[in-house]
Amino acid sequence: GNSVTQMEGPVTLSEEAFLTINCTYTATGYPSLFWYVQYPGEGLQLLLKATKADDKGSNKGFEATYRKETTSFHLEKGSVQVSDSAVYFCALLDMRFGAGTRLTVKP
Amino acid sequence: DAGITQSPRHKVTETGTPVTLRCHQTENHRYMYWYRQDPGHGLRLIHYSYGVKDTDKGEVSDGYSVSRSKTEDFLLTLESATSSQTSVYFCAIFTGTYEDTQYFGPGTRLTVL
Repeated sequence: GNSVTQMEGPVTLSEEAFLTINCTYTATGYPSLFWYVQYPGEGLQLLLKATKADDKGSNKGFEATYRKETTSFHLEKGSVQVSDSAVYFCALLDMRFGAGTRLTVKP
Repeated sequence: DAGITQSPRHKVTETGTPVTLRCHQTENHRYMYWYRQDPGHGLRLIHYSYGVKDTDKGEVSDGYSVSRSKTEDFLLTLESATSSQTSVYFCAIFTGTYEDTQYFGPGTRLTVL
């Protein structure tokens, strides 16, 4: 069946560092892919998505490219801020989520 | 904001007692979901609904039941709570549009002693 494997955390970075959180998937066909973000005490919010191969989703300086050759959808940001500290989830359209990666950014 | 509320937001109960969590939406979306969130597991789907009185099981449905008698409300019931059901429970709706996006409620933290 479909599944999502996400880089385990936690990840701790200094402000302005480069971020990569890896996500790979197993799926039949080419489902839409999503990154959600969860801030402390809140529910998940959609961060970005891609609906087909080679699509790049982007939002708030974050980017992820749908790579069918490597079945990956890695999340990247060139310069993280303290306010980016949160838990990030990779997900498939069929409501399967990765385990989540906790990011802490230190000033 | 998709107008999703959950109640209660926090609950502590004892093993063996019944518990009902409520999810309410204000925008008449057809699809609603219940997830649980546990460390190391991410979100796991418990049950979902695709309309009034139409529900189906997710990957971790054992010990849970749901009901949807109105479009706006989706109830999750633990018939006899166990300590393994201590978790944070999230409700979500799916807009079913081209946006293909789920919107989540704020969550309910349930502790079963």
